[in-house]
Amino acid sequence: AQSVTQPDIHITVSEGASLELRCNYSYGATPYLFWYVQSPGQGLQLLLKYFSGDTLVQGIKGFEAEFKRSQSSFNLRKPSVHWSDAAEYFCAVGASKTGGFKTIFGAGTRLFVKA
Amino acid sequence: GAVVSQHPSRVICKSGTSVKIECRSLDFQATTMFWYRQFPKKSLMLMATSNEGSKATYEQGVEKDKFLINHASLTLSTLTVTSAHPEDSSFYICSAREGTSVYEQYFGPGTRLTVT
Repeated sequence: AQSVTQPDIHITVSEGASLELRCNYSYGATPYLFWYVQSPGQGLQLLLKYFSGDTLVQGIKGFEAEFKRSQSSFNLRKPSVHWSDAAEYFCAVGASKTGGFKTIFGAGTRLFVKA
Repeated sequence: GAVVSQHPSRVICKSGTSVKIECRSLDFQATTMFWYRQFPKKSLMLMATSNEGSKATYEQGVEKDKFLINHASLTLSTLTVTSAHPEDSSFYICSAREGTSVYEQYFGPGTRLTVT
């Protein structure tokens, strides 16, 4: 069965420091991978996605992610974190199912940014 | 970019009443819409998938008679929580998928439902 694991429930990073959020997936075929960000009380905003091609994907707000098939990982990175990046981050995998396609979300990682 | 709206953003209702949440795609036609429920500090749980003009497909464990979904047009889907109870209090998020895009979906801002 398809699944997504985000090992870190929360992470605290100093403003200006680098960030890496971990994501591992389980999927039999080539995965469609996503990272979303959610601010408190808001919906989800797509940061970036990987469907195929270059395994290093650039997204909005200075984020990037690298797809590593051998490790079944799709970690999110940012070289310098800003206070406004504090939010909940969700990794997701797109999976085929009977009748269509659905997105499976990880449990999320809460990012705290300290001054 | 594609925009999805939800209305209302917050609603408080009394136990036993029904409440309707609307999800609209503002600048594209959504052949498929999804309804999610998110518990505090938890991930999103897919409740159902609705395709325009057909019955919604509910995930295992979701009561279809309690959570009525209607997708009457290519820009509007509604979720009605019938006979609401306090345990139905949650954050409900819809998303919409454009007809030409199989894998991408656009999320609404969510609706906070509180049942008293």
